[in-house]
Amino acid sequence: GQQLNQSPQSMFIQEGEDVSMNCTSSSIFNTWLWYKQDPGEGPVLLIALYKAGELTSNGRLTAQFGITRKDSFLNISASIPSDVGIYFCAGQPPYGGSQGNLIFGKGTKLSVKP
Amino acid sequence: NAGVMQNPRHLVRRRGQEARLRCSPMKGHSHVYWYRQLPEEGLKFMVYLQKENIIDESGMPKERFSAEFPKEGPSILRIQQVVRGDSAAYFCASSPSTGDSEKLFFGSGTQLSVL
Repeated sequence: GQQLNQSPQSMFIQEGEDVSMNCTSSSIFNTWLWYKQDPGEGPVLLIALYKAGELTSNGRLTAQFGITRKDSFLNISASIPSDVGIYFCAGQPPYGGSQGNLIFGKGTKLSVKP
Repeated sequence: NAGVMQNPRHLVRRRGQEARLRCSPMKGHSHVYWYRQLPEEGLKFMVYLQKENIIDESGMPKERFSAEFPKEGPSILRIQQVVRGDSAAYFCASSPSTGDSEKLFFGSGTQLSVL
């Protein structure tokens, strides 16, 4: 089946640093979404991308829908402690499955550098 | 503006018992989705429902699992004769019926533990 590969799996951040993570697939997607999940909570939608090449910002977050439609990137600028959590990418494949039948990556875990 | 409401937050069952998980979508949303998350994993789609209709159940196990979204009341995910492998976090999400239907808004989940 279709899979999304997220990297890195985990990373440590220091306050003020910029953070980058990405999500790749061997097949194309129509829609890319980025979610953040805090411990014991459900994922919260950060950014939604609908067109190849699209670049969208939400505060300090910026995400891009790759030109090939097989990847997406999320950048966080000037990180703060509350940015820690798990970031998931999710995609809507063009074929098979209904709306809302999203494929999720395994997540990138952001932790504060000790 | 209440978000997606799920209850219970935590549910403990012994093997062979039934588990019932409830979900009330956001106000104005008529589409409900159930996802399952195992530890250290991403979410896996289970089922998509509209009022009184199952639209896509391609992610539901063939046995013991069922879901409904009645005309009145919350959506229910039912797991019969639970086994240890059913232990997971179950998330419900909802979306509007038109417009940004791909944007799913998730509840806080039900953590099911099977003893």
